[in-house]
Amino acid sequence: AQTVTQSQPEMSVQEAETVTLSCTYDTSESDYYLFWYKQPPSRQMILVIRQEAYKQQNATENRFSVNFQKAAKSFSLKISDSQLGDAAMYFCAYRRGAGNMLTFGGGTRLMVKP
Amino acid sequence: KAGVTQTPRYLIKTRGQQVTLSCSPISGHRSVSWYQQTPGQGLQFLFEYFSETQRNKGNFPGRFSGRQFSNSRSEMNVSTLELGDSALYLCASSLRPAPIDEQYFGPGTRLTVT
Repeated sequence: AQTVTQSQPEMSVQEAETVTLSCTYDTSESDYYLFWYKQPPSRQMILVIRQEAYKQQNATENRFSVNFQKAAKSFSLKISDSQLGDAAMYFCAYRRGAGNMLTFGGGTRLMVKP
Repeated sequence: KAGVTQTPRYLIKTRGQQVTLSCSPISGHRSVSWYQQTPGQGLQFLFEYFSETQRNKGNFPGRFSGRQFSNSRSEMNVSTLELGDSALYLCASSLRPAPIDEQYFGPGTRLTVT
């Protein structure tokens, strides 16, 4: 069974600074996808960024980028120029190549200080 | 385009009762997945449906069931409610159960069992 671990229950960052959220996963599959989801206090889960395991290049989406280390099974999220609106729960998730089932990590609560 | 809608948004039930939650996917989406979110267990996968067929089921007791209709709307049912069923139930939809298709989450139904 696949497992996803987020070792940082809470993180805080100063506005405009950079923060990195950690995620490790365990799988024996070769075809899989990794995601970071954001869940603001309103509870609607939003996709932040995705990474296909077969791609060596790290994904980037504006201020969000990942550091995907396949051999180490590590998938961290870097948020640059943090904004107050970035405050939320962040979930790392794993998905096999087939099907829609997501396996989530326990989440990291990110606080942004003005 | 309207997002994923879930009804009701809040629900209070008594132990032993049963409950039905509804999810209307984004127009054109045929794949629907359900997740349970609790503070203790985090986000856990319940079921996945595509074209009225259950494709995957998570590790939940038989009291949890679901179905999908021809218009892609989905319902989940929990019978003989227990206190531990209190949770936020999230629904997600996508065009197909394909990795390239992004999953969009609804706002969730908050179920409280007393």
